[in-house]
Amino acid sequence: GQNIDQPTEMTATEGAIVQINCTYQTSGFNGLFWYQQHAGEAPTFLSYNVLDGLEEKGRFSSFLSRSKGYSYLLLKELQMKDSASYLCAVRRYSSASKIIFGSGTRLSIRP
Amino acid sequence: DADVTQTPRNRITKTGKRIMLECSQTKGHDRMYWYRQDPGLGLRLIYYSFDVKDINKGEISDGYSVSRQAQAKFSLSLESAIPNQTALYFCATSGLIGQGDTGELFFGEGSRLTVL
Repeated sequence: GQNIDQPTEMTATEGAIVQINCTYQTSGFNGLFWYQQHAGEAPTFLSYNVLDGLEEKGRFSSFLSRSKGYSYLLLKELQMKDSASYLCAVRRYSSASKIIFGSGTRLSIRP
Repeated sequence: DADVTQTPRNRITKTGKRIMLECSQTKGHDRMYWYRQDPGLGLRLIYYSFDVKDINKGEISDGYSVSRQAQAKFSLSLESAIPNQTALYFCATSGLIGQGDTGELFFGEGSRLTVL
């Protein structure tokens, strides 16, 4: 089976940096995704990691350690529009691979 | 126009009624998925399909059925709706992994279903 854990809520200040952690337990790991979801809207893809290390995309970076079952999403220079839920999702390698989501982290940005 | 389209976007129905949510896509993807989202529970996988002849149960398939009518169409049915099926439902597609494609999910805008 798969277990994906991430904090339920976080608060950060505009202009600051925030790190959202995700831990997972799964057999046949085949990639980890981060999605952003604003309230009432569809999730949108942010990043993908399948090998250990850091992937950087503008203000957003994502890190993966497969041996530790751990990932984080780093958001820099926070803006008010970054207030959203951030979803960690894991793909499992098998004959019928599927993508399973954690419960999401609701991030609030204060001025 | 959206690449992944869901209909209806909102629906209110009564307990015991049959409901169908439809999803169509223009991305040319073989893989299609249905998820439901409840507050505090994230996205949970109901069913997924990797081609027209392939249907797989997800984490929470009880009370639901699906039909893959064509590569571009994947519908979700609730044969006899009950109040705890009140949720936001998302259809998603993905391409094949490799050749620069991460196999990420592309979501429709969601269908909000309320069962009274």
